[in-house]
Order: sequence, then structure tokens, then C-alpha cells
Amino acid sequence: NAGVTQTPKFQVLKTGQSMTLQCAQDMNHNSMYWYRQDPGMGLRLIYYSASEGTTDKGEVPNGYNVSRLNKREFSLRLESAAPSQTSVYFCASRVSGRALVEQYFGPGTRLTVT
Amino acid sequence: GENVEQHPSTLSVQEGDSAVIKCTYSDSASNYFPWYKQELGKGPQLIIDIRSNVGEKKDQRIAVTLNKTAKHFSLHITETQPEDSAVYFCAASIDSNQFYFGTGTSLTVIP
Repeated sequence: NAGVTQTPKFQVLKTGQSMTLQCAQDMNHNSMYWYRQDPGMGLRLIYYSASEGTTDKGEVPNGYNVSRLNKREFSLRLESAAPSQTSVYFCASRVSGRALVEQYFGPGTRLTVT
Repeated sequence: GENVEQHPSTLSVQEGDSAVIKCTYSDSASNYFPWYKQELGKGPQLIIDIRSNVGEKKDQRIAVTLNKTAKHFSLHITETQPEDSAVYFCAASIDSNQFYFGTGTSLTVIP
């Protein structure tokens, strides 16, 4: 049981390049999330998927797109990277429902855009 | 949207002393308040949480208190140990899909 896995761990992009961050979970969770973490700003929600087939914007969605490929996988795409997107990106998942709301986080992807 | 403020941003304590981290939130509809510990190079990990119908919750050396009227909640760590050194985040959630995080507290426990 690997929990939440993210690839790659590190990435350097030039301005204007595109890339996709991958996230997968093996806990049979319904909901998945993408956050970015910047110094002094905590974690901010980019997009989330409450269940397979649905996605919704979070606090800071501009410049990103997401795909909930199946129940296990939730990818984040940067179509045209900008230096302002330099950040550490975390994927998270949780079981939907009233009883349990804990989010489980992946190890993160450190992205630098030059 | 919700606004969560967290203080202090850094905290140093001697081993064995207590540490307290405080958070305030703005939206009275928030009903779930988790606390996360983040070690260097890792993702945040839940250490304790509290729901709006409870005023206090304790788990061994860690406790969380919630004051709904004042819209603030606090993390208390007693008998601190060097392995408690990490960054701690509070968060607030209204619908359990949108989580709003504080800006983090870097705790250092001095042996």
C-alpha cells in the first residue's frame, strides 16, 4: 500500500513549456486534490475532484488544468508555464462521506520555472 | 472565501516544555479543523482534528481546543521532544472539499 504517489519529484521548466504532474492513490479514495505550497503562504487549493468524473476549481486555478483519469489517478497540467508557477505541488486524497474526512498527502513535486 | 490566520510563524522551545500554536478563521460555517505536521521534504500528515460540535480533543501529548464564538482554535503540544520539530499547519473546512490552510508555524525543540 503506497498511499499517494506523485511523479516527478523535481522538474525544471522554461517559461512557456508545458508539463503534466501525475498523482495516483491506492486507497480507493473518492476525492482527490491538487495544492501548491509557497513560502509564507501555506497550501492553496488549485483543483479538486470530489468523485470520478467530476472536477472543480479551488482557490487558485488560473494557469492549470486537471484530469481525473479514473478513480486512482488525478493529473495536473501546466499548458504554458510561468515563473509564478514555481512552487511545490502536493496531491492529496480522502474518502468521501461523513465519517472520515482526513486527507492523505503525497510527497510533493518541486517545480521551478525559469 | 475562508481566511485562516496562524501564529506564531516560528516557535522555539526547550525540550520538555509546552508549545502552543493558534489559528483564527473568518467563516462561521467552517465545521472541521485539522492540524498537519510537515517534516522537511515530505507532504503534510494529519496529527489531530476537531469538529465544530466539540470543544476539545486530546491524543497523548497533543490537544486541540476550539472556540466557535471567537472563531479560533489552538494546538497544544506538551512535553515536547526533538522529533516534534517540524512545520505545523492548521486548516479549516466548510464542506470537506475546500480546505483553507494557515501559513504554518516552524517549531524547533531545543534538546
